[in-house]
Amino acid sequence: DAGVIQSPRHEVTEMGQEVTLRCKPISGHDYLFWYRQTMMRGLELLIYFNNNVPIDDSGMPEDRFSAKMPNASFSTLKIQPSEPRDSAVYFCASSSTGTGDGNTIYFGEGSWLTVV
Amino acid sequence: GENVGLHLPTLSVQEGDNSIINCAYSNSASDYFIWYKQESGKGPQFIIDIRSNMDKRQGQRVTVLLNKTVKHLSLQIAATQPGDSAVYFCAENRENYGGSQGNLIFGKGTKLSVKP
Repeated sequence: DAGVIQSPRHEVTEMGQEVTLRCKPISGHDYLFWYRQTMMRGLELLIYFNNNVPIDDSGMPEDRFSAKMPNASFSTLKIQPSEPRDSAVYFCASSSTGTGDGNTIYFGEGSWLTVV
Repeated sequence: GENVGLHLPTLSVQEGDNSIINCAYSNSASDYFIWYKQESGKGPQFIIDIRSNMDKRQGQRVTVLLNKTVKHLSLQIAATQPGDSAVYFCAENRENYGGSQGNLIFGKGTKLSVKP
């Protein structure tokens, strides 16, 4: 079975540019999570969806960040405009029943973003 | 003061020895805990989980121990192998934390280095 698929794997962009990260969750999973990982702050939850509906976006750092899930098999995380402090690894993850019911969440390989 | 980068605790073990990785969690209301392994350049990978009504759970070569009295979690790896070298994260689930379900809170991680 294919796991969580993210693209691009690596992106280097200039400050001020728009960045779009993409994610395809595992088929049949009804929860989708976006995490950010940095050395300073570790793994942080940005936002998660249930059945394509955003449930909690309290982790989104500021208005420059937005996420959408137009259908069950696709989600995007957009940063506009990007800043150097947005440089991090962004992980998408999915699960079948959330994380409180004994079912694990599965992570993609990450999108490594560098903003210069 | 000046911010410093996050320095991960490191555990160095000899191949074949047992490893014990520790984690302290903060919320006594957390009821579900997971250990993840993250290899360089990859996303976190599920290892083993445990619910708060248990104090021990065993998997293949791994054992998780939960001490709710002192809010402590440990991961034991038997006969550690070079392929076990990675960063290990504990994560806790705080049901309805901040009104949100499904929010895994990750620890900062421990780097395991296995010497051949």
